[in-house]
Amino acid sequence: DGGITQSPKYLFRKEGQNVTLSCEQNLNHDAMYWYRQDPGQGLRLIYYSQIVNDFQKGDIAEGYSVSREKKESFPLTVTSAQKNPTAFYLCASRAATQRGYGYTFGSGTRLTVV
Amino acid sequence: QKEVEQNSGPLSVPEGAIASLNCTYSDRGSQSFFWYRQYSGKSPELIMSIYSNGDKEDGRFTAQLNKASQYVSLLIRDSQPSDSATYLCAVNRAQAGTALIFGKGTTLSVSS
Repeated sequence: DGGITQSPKYLFRKEGQNVTLSCEQNLNHDAMYWYRQDPGQGLRLIYYSQIVNDFQKGDIAEGYSVSREKKESFPLTVTSAQKNPTAFYLCASRAATQRGYGYTFGSGTRLTVV
Repeated sequence: QKEVEQNSGPLSVPEGAIASLNCTYSDRGSQSFFWYRQYSGKSPELIMSIYSNGDKEDGRFTAQLNKASQYVSLLIRDSQPSDSATYLCAVNRAQAGTALIFGKGTTLSVSS
C-alpha cells in the first residue's frame, strides 16, 4: 500500500543533541512538507520541498535542517540550536485524492527532550 | 492579523444536530481551502477541499467558501459521537507554492 512512513514514532533527545526524523513516501509525490504541532495548537510549517534537491524555509525553520536527495525521502534534523524541540512532528506529501489536492500525512513522530 | 483563524471551542452539540465550524483567512491570493479532522494523538486526515465560491457537499459534510469575505465554513449534519475531534482549517499561501497554512483548530464534542 502507498503511504508516508515516519520513524521513529517516539524519540527522546538529550540537551545539546542533534536528532534526525525520517520521512519516506512511496506515493511518487513531488512535494513534501514538515510541520510541528504543539499541544492545543495548529500545525506550523518548518520546511517544504517542491522537487528533489530543492527546499524552502517555512515559518519556523530556525534550529532545523532538511535534505531532499531522493524523491521518496525528506528527513528533518532537529539541531541543538532548537531550544524548545518537544513537539509532535508531522510529515506530509501532496496528494491528488477524490477530495482534491490535499496533503497525506504520516503518523507523526513525538519528540521529547529529556 | 493571523493568516488563518478559527474559534478554538470547544463546540458542543448533541447527537443528530448540525455542527458549524468557521474559519477566516487573510491572504486574498489563496485559492485552495481544506478541512482536516484530527483525533487526539493522531495525524490529520483530509475530509473536504473547496476551491470555488459556494457550497460543496460530501455525505454529511458541506464546505462553504466566500472569497469576498475571506471565509470558509464546514457544516456537519447528523453529528455523531465519532465526529468528536479537532477540525483544522487549512489554506494555501499564495507565495509559497503548495504549502498549506493551518489554523489552530476547533474542538468539537458531540454528546450522545
